[in-house]
Amino acid sequence: NAGVTQTPKFQVLKTGQSMTLQCAQDMNHEYMSWYRQDPGMGLRLIHYSVGAGITDQGEVPNGYNVSRSTTEDFPLRLLSAAPSQTSVYFCASSYRLDAGELFFGEGSRLTVL
Amino acid sequence: SQQGEEDPQALSIQEGENATMNCSYKTSINNLQWYRQNSGRGLVHLILIRSNEREKHSGRLRVTLDTSKKSSSLLITASRAADTASYFCATDGQSGGSNYKLTFGKGTLLTVNP
Repeated sequence: NAGVTQTPKFQVLKTGQSMTLQCAQDMNHEYMSWYRQDPGMGLRLIHYSVGAGITDQGEVPNGYNVSRSTTEDFPLRLLSAAPSQTSVYFCASSYRLDAGELFFGEGSRLTVL
Repeated sequence: SQQGEEDPQALSIQEGENATMNCSYKTSINNLQWYRQNSGRGLVHLILIRSNEREKHSGRLRVTLDTSKKSSSLLITASRAADTASYFCATDGQSGGSNYKLTFGKGTLLTVNP
């Protein structure tokens, strides 16, 4: 099992550009989520999903879109990148719908110039 | 908003010593979890303790939970250099029912010196 796979690992964008961070898991987990990690801020929840076709907002959803067309994939879209979105993004999944025991990907480091 | 807050922010100890980290939270919870993050890597789940449990062990890890004080502690015994990492507590912030949102604290950076 590969676990949770995130791509790309590194990305540099210009302000206003759009892009998609990919997340895939091969553990048949219903629960998937996206976090961003900033220095001194810990991890903050962006969006989450409890199954295909079901998504909801977390703590910091503005500027991000998600969709869940399959159990395996949960892409995060940045619609118009801003310097404030410079961060490390983590995708996580769980077999538990209460978000217990999350399995994390290795992260995607995004810089917006 | 942060639900859990770890204390201390940073901790430096010698190999073989015990390390204790604390977590305080604000609202009632269903469960509390601890995660480890090595530098530049994703988080790894260590242990989950339910609100009706007071203590839980996993190898060299011991977690306690005091719901009356809204606090938890993580004890790592006989620490090793490989334990050097950041440690985060995470809570679901809701007692009873379903809650899909996990909230992380800012973490404690543990350095274990050889």
